[in-house]
Amino acid sequence: AQKVTQAQTEISVVEKEDVTLDCVYETRDTTYYLFWYKQPPSGELVFLIRRNSFDEQNEISGRYSWNFQKSTSSFNFTITASQVVDSAVYFCALSAREGDNDMRFGAGTRLTVKP
Amino acid sequence: GAGVSQSPRYKVAKRGQDVALRCDPISGHVSLFWYQQALGQGPEFLTYFQNEAQLDKSGLPSDRFFAERPEGSVSTLKIQRTQQEDSAVYLCASSSSGGTYGYTFGSGTRLTVV
Repeated sequence: AQKVTQAQTEISVVEKEDVTLDCVYETRDTTYYLFWYKQPPSGELVFLIRRNSFDEQNEISGRYSWNFQKSTSSFNFTITASQVVDSAVYFCALSAREGDNDMRFGAGTRLTVKP
Repeated sequence: GAGVSQSPRYKVAKRGQDVALRCDPISGHVSLFWYQQALGQGPEFLTYFQNEAQLDKSGLPSDRFFAERPEGSVSTLKIQRTQQEDSAVYLCASSSSGGTYGYTFGSGTRLTVV
């Protein structure tokens, strides 16, 4: 069975603080793909990153960075020097096997960045 | 179009009424997905199309839910005899591949059944 757990329901930080959003996943597949999406108040889900299970290299994109650790089945997301515009709900998602069309989402973490 | 377009943006239906939700995917995107997002939850898979073929409808919660994509572009999600538990945001997404490269989502249709 595939499952994604985002234990943090809500996080509130002050602007310029660093914040890490946790994601833990479960799958029996050896090939799988992990994603992070951002859902701003407007409602659409914005794709942030995709990672396959064979690539454990951490990734940095501007203020965003992702830490993928297969040993702990985690794919955490860090925002450095947070800004008010980062306020949104963030979803971690898992899709197993090439061509699998059933992407499983976590329940999401609502991030509020206060000025 | 430049993105995935969904209409209407908001829909209020009386219990028992039929509704139809429309999705215009990105031009040329082969794959189209429908998700249901309840308040405070992550999106839940409903159904998947590759061109006009509905390859997976395992997520549709009941036979009151029906989706089609007759010409392989625009898709319609129809809910018959709506019930209060159908109240949710219905998200459509499209992809040029099977989906493992990430989807482009629309803004969704918020359905409220009263």
